[in-house]
Amino acid sequence: GAGVSQSPSNKVTEKGKDVELRCDPISGHTALYWYRQSLGQGLEFLIYFQGNSAPDKSGLPSDRFSAERTGGSVSTLTIQRTQQEDSAVYLCASSLDGRQTSFNYGYTFGSGTRLTVV
Amino acid sequence: AQTVTQSQPEMSVQEAETVTLSCTYDTSESDYYLFWYKQPPSRQMILVIRQEAYKQQNATENRFSVNFQKAAKSFSLKISDSQLGDAAMYFCASILSSNTGKLIFGQGTTLQVKP
Repeated sequence: GAGVSQSPSNKVTEKGKDVELRCDPISGHTALYWYRQSLGQGLEFLIYFQGNSAPDKSGLPSDRFSAERTGGSVSTLTIQRTQQEDSAVYLCASSLDGRQTSFNYGYTFGSGTRLTVV
Repeated sequence: AQTVTQSQPEMSVQEAETVTLSCTYDTSESDYYLFWYKQPPSRQMILVIRQEAYKQQNATENRFSVNFQKAAKSFSLKISDSQLGDAAMYFCASILSSNTGKLIFGQGTTLQVKP
């Protein structure tokens, strides 16, 4: 697609429920990143996918968080048994190759999913 | 370790005036890249300007310029002739060239532009 697409745009869920957030990167981009932006905070790195390599999961805050990327394209971030502290904007980004392209152009971001846990 | 710090949670500027947003970073590596991103209410992050650490010349993009002080590990953003459309949250970020391309962000500065 022309840009990074994220869905849903907004999600309200009850505490304890599972949620899935979707990211559709730019076609041909091999690198995909998930970030979390809590109210008044910066962007916190969650997970990074690069081609067929094992993902860098070093930013996932707990085992309730997981992500997958199917066919090197669409990615889904899953949060199980949601807690109120999970309320945040979840941003996805992609870049062509994860290194030089990122160095030269940064990433292309989606508009994020605002998750509210009540 | 790689950290980025923005110490100004909020700034305001009068339309047509100049404002400087501060950013400091910490890394033990010598080769890295620095960025400023703008996040308007639409939440879409927009790349404003980029600086390569090995270049001494400060980057400039129209009304946006940086003051890169490598020894001090400082990377401030100057916005000249501020416009109402510049109102947004601004994030400073860095990537290490030895890394996989993972951007590390500061906490952000909310810029208000007064008419």
